[in-house]
Amino acid sequence: KAGVTQTPRYLIKTRGQQVTLSCSPISGHRSVSWYQQTPGQGLQFLFEYFSETQRNKGNFPGRFSGRQFSNSRSEMNVSTLELGDSALYLCASSPGLTVDIQYFGAGTRLSVL
Amino acid sequence: DQQVKQNSPSLSVQEGRISILNCDYTNSMFDYFLWYKKYPAEGPTFLISISSIKDKNEDGRFTVFLNKSAKHLSLHIVPSQPGDSAVYFCAAKGLNYGGSQGNLIFGKGTKLSVKP
Repeated sequence: KAGVTQTPRYLIKTRGQQVTLSCSPISGHRSVSWYQQTPGQGLQFLFEYFSETQRNKGNFPGRFSGRQFSNSRSEMNVSTLELGDSALYLCASSPGLTVDIQYFGAGTRLSVL
Repeated sequence: DQQVKQNSPSLSVQEGRISILNCDYTNSMFDYFLWYKKYPAEGPTFLISISSIKDKNEDGRFTVFLNKSAKHLSLHIVPSQPGDSAVYFCAAKGLNYGGSQGNLIFGKGTKLSVKP
């Protein structure tokens, strides 16, 4: 079974630009969560999608948004990039049951210059 | 306000000895806990979990202990191997915390180095 796939692996953008990151979950998984990892803050939850609906949201500004498609693939978008958005963005998928394990992709490393 | 704390940023252990990684939490609503391991340039990999109805869960060389009254959990690795060198994240989850499923709240991680 293929794991969680995130594309692209690396991105370099400049301040003010916007970026879209993609995540393909494990086949059969209906829940996709996004996390931001920075050296100072660790992994912080962005949002979770289940069956194309945002089910849970962390404390990030509205510049961070996401969506999920009918095949469970998910995208996250960051608009008006700031230097502080430089981070590793991780996607995790799970079957979507009440309590289950999340499986992570390798992440997308975003650098904002 | 950090709800999951890993107070030791790093830990160094000799091969063959026990590694003990600690994690404290503040939110009594958390009732499911997980440990993940992360190598550089890879995503976190699930290691072991424990529900709040248990105080111990064992899987091979890995054992997680939960002390609910102290809001503390620990991961024991016995015996430690050089391949265990990685960053270990503790994560907590509440059934009804932050939504219908509840997202994972992570600690900042402990870097474990196992020396041959």
